[in-house]
Amino acid sequence: GQNIDQPTEMTATEGAIVQINCTYQTSGFNGLFWYQQHAGEAPTFLSYNVLDGLEEKGRFSSFLSRSKGYSYLLLKELQMKDSASYLCAVRYNTNAGKSTFGDGTTLTVKP
Amino acid sequence: EAGVAQSPRYKIIEKRQSVAFWCNPISGHATLYWYQQILGQGPKLLIQFQNNGVVDDSQLPKDRFSAERLKGVDSTLKIQPAKLEDSAVYLCASDPTGNTGELFFGEGSRLTVL
Repeated sequence: GQNIDQPTEMTATEGAIVQINCTYQTSGFNGLFWYQQHAGEAPTFLSYNVLDGLEEKGRFSSFLSRSKGYSYLLLKELQMKDSASYLCAVRYNTNAGKSTFGDGTTLTVKP
Repeated sequence: EAGVAQSPRYKIIEKRQSVAFWCNPISGHATLYWYQQILGQGPKLLIQFQNNGVVDDSQLPKDRFSAERLKGVDSTLKIQPAKLEDSAVYLCASDPTGNTGELFFGEGSRLTVL
């Protein structure tokens, strides 16, 4: 299979920094995506990594290590509106370009 | 630019009844996906269309689920007969080519089977 593992839940304080990890099987890897999904809403695209390193986009950054099968999403200066589920999705060569999703990490930001 | 449209937003049916969901992708997007998202889980791919052809339906329970994308634009997903375990949100997504990986999702259709 192509297990994608993320923590189920995380809690952080407004204004703080939080790191959400994702591990995946490396065979056939062809890109990793992070999506944000607020309760009752559609997932929305946050970031894409295909090469090793850090991609920064405002308060959100995503890191990838292909050799370790590891990524993280870093959220800085947390705001209450960042409370949501964060989905890690991996695209594999063997899957004709389709992404396989993890079960998501529910982040709760507290005042 | 209009997003992916889905209807209905909510549907409650009894087991063994049938239900249909409709999706209108972003204009010009060739690839359309239907995902099933059970509460607490990530989206699971049911079927992928490229224009009006099926690319992958390996995860679609074909004894009860069917989907079509006539004319390569709108799509419908049907469940007949529904089971309790079909209770989920059915998400439609599209992307321009099928190779970018970035998906544009609709808000989903939440199905409750009693």
